[in-house]
Amino acid sequence: AQSVTQPDIHITVSEGASLELRCNYSYGATPYLFWYVQSPGQGLQLLLKYFSGDTLVQGIKGFEAEFKRSQSSFNLRKPSVHWSDAAEYFCAVSKGDDKIIFGKGTRLHILP
Amino acid sequence: GAVVSQHPSWVICKSGTSVKIECRSLDFQATTMFWYRQFPKQSLMLMATSNEGSKATYEQGVEKDKFLINHASLTLSTLTVTSAHPEDSSFYICSARLAGGGETQYFGPGTRLLVL
Repeated sequence: AQSVTQPDIHITVSEGASLELRCNYSYGATPYLFWYVQSPGQGLQLLLKYFSGDTLVQGIKGFEAEFKRSQSSFNLRKPSVHWSDAAEYFCAVSKGDDKIIFGKGTRLHILP
Repeated sequence: GAVVSQHPSWVICKSGTSVKIECRSLDFQATTMFWYRQFPKQSLMLMATSNEGSKATYEQGVEKDKFLINHASLTLSTLTVTSAHPEDSSFYICSARLAGGGETQYFGPGTRLLVL
């Protein structure tokens, strides 16, 4: 069965510092991978997605993620965070034309 | 593009009443819509998959007679919580996938339901 693991429940970084949010997946083939962001009381916004091709994916708001098949990982990165990046981040996986399985999320806190 | 709206954004109702939540794709047609439930500080749990013109497919443990889903058009799906109870209080989020396939789901802003 597909599963997604986000090992960090909370992450705190200083404004301007770099960020990496971890995501590991379990799936028999190459999955479709997503990162979504959710601000408090809001729906989800798609940051980026990987289906195939270049394993380094660029997204919105300066985020990027790298697919590493050997590690079954799809970590999200940003070189310099802004206070507005404080939110909940969800990694997700699907088989394609199928339902999405979400990780439990990582809450990002930004120190001024 | 690919905007999904939900109405209402929040609703308070009395125990025993029914509540209908609408999910609309505003600028695209969606053959498939999904309904999720999210408890505080938790992830999204898929409740059901709704395909236009056919019966919804419910996830294990979700009562289909309690959570009625209708997907009558390519731009509208509704979730009706029947005989709501306080334990149904939650954040309900819908998503829509473009007609013609595609792997990306676009999410609505969510509806917060409080049952008194």
